[in-house]
Amino acid sequence: EAGVAQSPRYKIIEKRQSVAFWCNPISGHATLYWYQQILGQGPKLLIQFQNNGVVDDSQLPKDRFSAERLKGVDSTLKIQPAKLEDSAVYLCASSLVGGIPTDTQYFGPGTRLTVL
Amino acid sequence: AQSVTQLDSHVSVSEGTPVLLRCNYSSSYSPSLFWYVQHPNKGLQLLLKYTSAATLVKGINGFEAEFKKSETSFHLTKPSAHMSDAAEYFCVVNGAAGNKLTFGGGTRVLVKP
Repeated sequence: EAGVAQSPRYKIIEKRQSVAFWCNPISGHATLYWYQQILGQGPKLLIQFQNNGVVDDSQLPKDRFSAERLKGVDSTLKIQPAKLEDSAVYLCASSLVGGIPTDTQYFGPGTRLTVL
Repeated sequence: AQSVTQLDSHVSVSEGTPVLLRCNYSSSYSPSLFWYVQHPNKGLQLLLKYTSAATLVKGINGFEAEFKKSETSFHLTKPSAHMSDAAEYFCVVNGAAGNKLTFGGGTRVLVKP
């Protein structure tokens, strides 16, 4: 079974530039998550999709971050304009059902963003 | 509300000796608990999960964890460390509706030859 795919794996940009990350979840998984992991910390949820609808985006800085999940499969996360403090690893995860505590989230390899 | 505390930010062990990673949680609901491992420049890999069945949970690569409700703990152990176990380990709780994970701060494991 293929895992969660993410691209690019690494990205270096200058502050105020824009950047986009792509995620392809495990086939058949209804729920998709984007996390931000700052160096030395645990991941923090940015946004959760159930199929192509947003379930939770309470931690997403909406003035600069946006995300979409067209057709309930792939997803993109965009930052515009980037700030120095956005330097982090952006992890995508997916789960079969979502909405129940026993559901397991499977993570992709992440995209490491460096903002100079 | 839910939270996770990993009691050690770093653990150093010798190859072949036991590993113990400590985790305490709090949750307003009956929680599901997970341990994930993250190797350098890799994503998070699920080691094991507890979902209110057996309190002693066996995972991959020889790891196991015991859920103790009275102590609100979910410590991770392995009887004999291998060099490939060097990584960061995250204890995670999911006790709320909506499948919202709360991560501990992580424990970095160093394995000495």
